[in-house]
Amino acid sequence: SAVISQKPSRDICQRGTSLTIQCQVDSQVTMMFWYRQQPGQSLTLIATANQGSEATYESGFVIDKFPISRPNLTFSTLTVSNMSPEDSSIYLCSVKLGTMTYEQYFGPGTRLTVT
Amino acid sequence: LAKTTQPISMDSYEGQEVNITCSHNNIATNDYITWYQQFPSQGPRFIIQGYKTKVTNEVASLFIPADRKSSTLSLPRVSLSDTAVYYCLADGGSQGNLIFGKGTKLSVKP
Repeated sequence: SAVISQKPSRDICQRGTSLTIQCQVDSQVTMMFWYRQQPGQSLTLIATANQGSEATYESGFVIDKFPISRPNLTFSTLTVSNMSPEDSSIYLCSVKLGTMTYEQYFGPGTRLTVT
Repeated sequence: LAKTTQPISMDSYEGQEVNITCSHNNIATNDYITWYQQFPSQGPRFIIQGYKTKVTNEVASLFIPADRKSSTLSLPRVSLSDTAVYYCLADGGSQGNLIFGKGTKLSVKP
């Protein structure tokens, strides 16, 4: 199993500013992902955080808006840039322990409100 | 990744068995069926996975017929704490990125 922590747990930000969310895992993991969950909605994958290379973004998400870093196998950050009220969501990181496993572990999420 | 379809919501009472059915007509040969549970203000939690026939663990059972076009999550004797959203996914494994559908909001009443 894996234990995931995220910082901050919640924040209220003004439009036009940026927020960096941290994700820390208690063990080295190969695969790490970032999701967004808008109020009352399901989860949407933003990107796969690749260690040592640029993240792989899903359709509708771009690096300029959601830059991602993954400096090592236990840590990643997601930045929400130039925020607008539409970015108000819960942002979750998740990890998978290997390519041959199907169980994915999720962090508690970061609740972001943009005013 | 196969698209899955589930009922939007279900109601039950404490002590009853709850069966949530998921349709995945276009499931790929290498896809496993996985179910996640999400409580308010928490990230999803893995419940169970299966390929075909029946899988049982301490939390739930998963029934997948031979054609694999659907699956049923069975929760025995639910309690109030089982109130949550349940997601069914078809997971190809190697990519790792999960495509979440809308999920089923289960409400357990006393």
